[in-house]
Amino acid sequence: EIVLTQSPATLPASPGERVTLSCRASQSLSSTLAWYQQRPGQPPRLLIYYTSTRATGVPARFSGSGSGTDFTLTINSLQSEDFAVYYCQQYHSWPRTFGQGTRVDI
Amino acid sequence: QVQLVESGGGVVKPGRSLRLSCEASGFDFSAYAMHWVRQAPGKGLEWVAIISIDGRNNFYRDSVKGRFTISRDNSKNTMYLQMNSLRVEDSGLYYCARDELGDVWGQGTLVTVSS
Repeated sequence: EIVLTQSPATLPASPGERVTLSCRASQSLSSTLAWYQQRPGQPPRLLIYYTSTRATGVPARFSGSGSGTDFTLTINSLQSEDFAVYYCQQYHSWPRTFGQGTRVDI
Repeated sequence: QVQLVESGGGVVKPGRSLRLSCEASGFDFSAYAMHWVRQAPGKGLEWVAIISIDGRNNFYRDSVKGRFTISRDNSKNTMYLQMNSLRVEDSGLYYCARDELGDVWGQGTLVTVSS
């Protein structure tokens, strides 16, 4: 099973800031990594797939990068609605696995 | 609009069974693989199972293999998760999600396994 380790667990930030979230895989994923956002009381929302492709309707301030085992989600100019928990997920092999999440907090 | 609605959750004792349903609307259900993902209260996301578009290929996480069965009825636009021999650690909010990439999610149905 591929283990995904996200860091940091919690990221204090302020509106307007740029933040970078990390996801490290226990083995190479090629580019088969996705990012999800989960706001309180809501289901997850797909943000990024195939490492860097934004899902439909996702603002351009969200960007993904990386390859192999190290991946990054960057949020430019944080908006109030961006304060949430972010999960990475690999779809390289079975079982699909998620990271433990990074909470972006005010 | 594109929508997934889960149902069937509830409170059950360890060892009992539940069947969850996920009803789809607003898109061609038969053209998409579908998943179940769960989330224990206050915890992270955990992938449970996936079913192919025709229902012939399924994959499960190890901890539910032999106890859970994923299925679908494309004529009813509905996916199911039959959960047998439930354990306390199976408790959580169960989401269904569309496609390999989970581009559409339901609101979830809550399963509580407790004696």
